[in-house]
Amino acid sequence: DTGVSQNPRHKITKRGQNVTFRCDPISEHNRLYWYRQTLGQGPEFLTYFQNEAQLEKSRLLSDRFSAERPKGSFSTLEIQRTEQGDSAMYLCASSPTSGERNEQFFGPGTRLTVL
Amino acid sequence: AQKVTQAQTEISVVEKEDVTLDCVYETRDTTYYLFWYKQPPSGELVFLIRRNSFDEQNEISGRYSWNFQKSTSSFNFTITASQVVDSAVYFCALSEALGKFYFGSGTKLNVKP
Repeated sequence: DTGVSQNPRHKITKRGQNVTFRCDPISEHNRLYWYRQTLGQGPEFLTYFQNEAQLEKSRLLSDRFSAERPKGSFSTLEIQRTEQGDSAMYLCASSPTSGERNEQFFGPGTRLTVL
Repeated sequence: AQKVTQAQTEISVVEKEDVTLDCVYETRDTTYYLFWYKQPPSGELVFLIRRNSFDEQNEISGRYSWNFQKSTSSFNFTITASQVVDSAVYFCALSEALGKFYFGSGTKLNVKP
């Protein structure tokens, strides 16, 4: 399978705990994006990387959120001191940077439930 | 600022009917890209089409067709002869060259047999 993969697929945690999600992009894609999707809404941008450099962060990404892509391959998104409002689907996407192709390919998402 | 509006929250049709999903966008950029994605009940977003701002040709792919009109800032999506398998949430999205996507709130399509 050469698509975008995300782990875990589901995470249930208690308020105040830390959680970490992982995203493995399509291997030849340089760009990696994180989005958050709540019920009945479209995905909202959180942050993105070009190789290992984090190029942009949304205002939605509070200081409790941190993302890394240490070697320009997989990425992790950590949420510290989770709150009930963090419950959502966290989506990862990757895209190529060659030519004009810039469509993003999405993973299956990690559904976070904060109790 | 960029914005995408999908005014239709939910549409229900009977199989074999044609259906059009509306998308209106706002941007100040002269170069931008528009996309449609399908999100079936399984949850994974599936890429359907990309259009560049400088290419207003309409496109047809099987039962799917897209109508891009810069004059009205619209990028509508039509499914001809709908099938039950078309039932999903459809998202329109806008991006700058290689940047983040701005998604609409989605249109849920229910195709009944």
